[in-house]
Amino acid sequence: AQSVSQHNHHVILSEAASLELGCNYSYGGTVNLFWYVQYPGQHLQLLLKYFSGDPLVKGIKGFEAEFIKSKFSFNLRKPSVQWSDTAEYFCAVPLGSSASKIIFGSGTRLSIRP
Amino acid sequence: EPEVTQTPSHQVTQMGQEVILRCVPISNHLYFYWYRQILGQKVEFLVSFYNNEISEKSEIFDDQFSVERPDGSNFTLKIRSTKLEDSAMYFCASNGQREFGNTIYFGEGSWLTVV
Repeated sequence: AQSVSQHNHHVILSEAASLELGCNYSYGGTVNLFWYVQYPGQHLQLLLKYFSGDPLVKGIKGFEAEFIKSKFSFNLRKPSVQWSDTAEYFCAVPLGSSASKIIFGSGTRLSIRP
Repeated sequence: EPEVTQTPSHQVTQMGQEVILRCVPISNHLYFYWYRQILGQKVEFLVSFYNNEISEKSEIFDDQFSVERPDGSNFTLKIRSTKLEDSAMYFCASNGQREFGNTIYFGEGSWLTVV
């Protein structure tokens, strides 16, 4: 069955540091992948998504992710984080041929020191 | 930007009581979902709904849960007899198309505390 795993549970960085959050998926067929962000006290928001084409996907707020098929990875990156990036980040993948639901990874909590 | 709205934002209920969480999906969307997130844990799929019926549900979504679209605009999640372990943030979401080319929009969540 398709699944996603996030290995970093909590990441602490200083402002202006570079960020990379890991996401690995298990499905070998057609792959669609998402990154969602949840700011404290707020709802889930889509950061970016990959469906096909250029494996380097640009999202909102300066985030990007690279789909590497050979590594089954879709890591999220940002060259210089800000304090406002403090949030929980979830990698997600649609499940099943009907794409009637998506499943989320366990999430990575990002804390930025001002 | 269009948004999914949920009420209540927070509800405290006694164990064994019935709870109804309400959602107003984006008006032209056709696919609706409920997810939940127990404190400190991952976001879990509960159920998806299309064309006035459940299209898929998880093992969490047992007989204590039900969903309904009573009036063409609201989408509700009912928990018949709440248990302590039902305490969680419940997220409603909607999607304009079956395929995930469209973005799934999430509401801000309803925080349910069962005491």
